[in-house]
Amino acid sequence: DGGITQSPKYLFRKEGQNVTLSCEQNLNHDAMYWYRQDPGQGLRLIYYSQIVNDFQKGDIAEGYSVSREKKESFPLTVTSAQKNPTAFYLCASSNGRETNEQFFGPGTRLTVL
Amino acid sequence: SQQGEEDPQALSIQEGENATMNCSYKTSINNLQWYRQNSGRGLVHLILIRSNEREKHSGRLRVTLDTSKKSSSLLITASRAADTASYFCATGSSASKIIFGSGTRLSIRP
Repeated sequence: DGGITQSPKYLFRKEGQNVTLSCEQNLNHDAMYWYRQDPGQGLRLIYYSQIVNDFQKGDIAEGYSVSREKKESFPLTVTSAQKNPTAFYLCASSNGRETNEQFFGPGTRLTVL
Repeated sequence: SQQGEEDPQALSIQEGENATMNCSYKTSINNLQWYRQNSGRGLVHLILIRSNEREKHSGRLRVTLDTSKKSSSLLITASRAADTASYFCATGSSASKIIFGSGTRLSIRP
């Protein structure tokens, strides 16, 4: 089955800890994205990558870091510098062409204890 | 930055009725997309309309786009309980990223 997966589904973190959220796709898509969603809100772009070994900051990159060493994988690290990390995190991919239709993973819900 | 603003923020209708959601945006676009999100899940792409198109249909969905007014509408006909979800518009002005609106929460009453 082709698709995009995220793990874990739920993640709990103590204050001051870094955590890494996994995102993997087997759609052969060039572009991948990370979004943050707060309750009752829309999606805000954290980071995106249009090609391996390259990525750009989105609107709310502070306190987050990413890497894109493989086409299939785009992990997101939530660092201790992110002051309010409790949120729902969504990963998406697209073929990066004109229309930029995005395919989403099921999300990871991060809670800071 | 959020380009699109959906209206209304929440909508509750009876099963079988039609649901209309609106999206307004601020800058020039190449295309506008609509996505659905069931509670606690990822988004699912519904339909895309290009800037040179005025109307598009897909099953029970009808999307219109008025670039002069910078607005779009999504019509769901003959609503079903399974249509209960949040609906987001997303505008694309380049191939690199799209910008999502704040969403409309649709509830279908049995």
